[in-house]
Amino acid sequence: QSALTQPPSASGSPGQSVTISCTGSTSDIGDYNYVSWYQQHPGKAPKLMIYEVNKRPSGVPDRFSGSKSGNTASLTVSGLQAEDEADYYCSSYGSGNNFKVFGGGTKLTV
Amino acid sequence: EVQLEQSGAEVKKPGESLKISCKGFGDSFTNSVIGWVRQMPGKGLEWMGVVYPADSDTTYSPSFQGRVTISADKSINTAYLQWSSLKASDTAIYYCAAALPTYAFHIWGQGTMVSVSS
Repeated sequence: QSALTQPPSASGSPGQSVTISCTGSTSDIGDYNYVSWYQQHPGKAPKLMIYEVNKRPSGVPDRFSGSKSGNTASLTVSGLQAEDEADYYCSSYGSGNNFKVFGGGTKLTV
Repeated sequence: EVQLEQSGAEVKKPGESLKISCKGFGDSFTNSVIGWVRQMPGKGLEWMGVVYPADSDTTYSPSFQGRVTISADKSINTAYLQWSSLKASDTAIYYCAAALPTYAFHIWGQGTMVSVSS
């Protein structure tokens, strides 16, 4: 079962925007709109930030947005704030043995 | 909305068995999908499998099939993750989480640290 591919790191200055990519295949991201993104601060449980590609749960700032093109999903954080510094993981539903997978994670430095 | 509370940290020896729990509070636990996620020290998230408390049906990641058992007791709103014979490589934090119908984990437990060492 292969994980989704994310860049290991990303960075931006306060107020800037940064985009984190998540590349899968036609068996997961490419075929389903069930991409989700999670934020994890050190020592804390993950937190859902985006689901179904571009939907935000209640309480998540609209600075966080998601999109998808082909087999690649993206998370964009606009107006970066210090508190956005965390690890970010993508995840997707998939067919066959790739029922549900996570990306390897991206460490965002602000 | 369901809230999840996990059992406390465990220290075990290789070869021992272990069962950790995830108790749901609030509405909808029985109608939820509860998943388990592993995070090894300094590493990323790994999807292990899910259980449907309503009928105890389970789905496992191929990476964890046969190595762990996921179950649930809807009468006490609790899901479980168990091992019959632990290995040092099972040392990790294990999270339970409730999934939306579209498989996103929207509610997370606080995590259970499992340490396996001789």
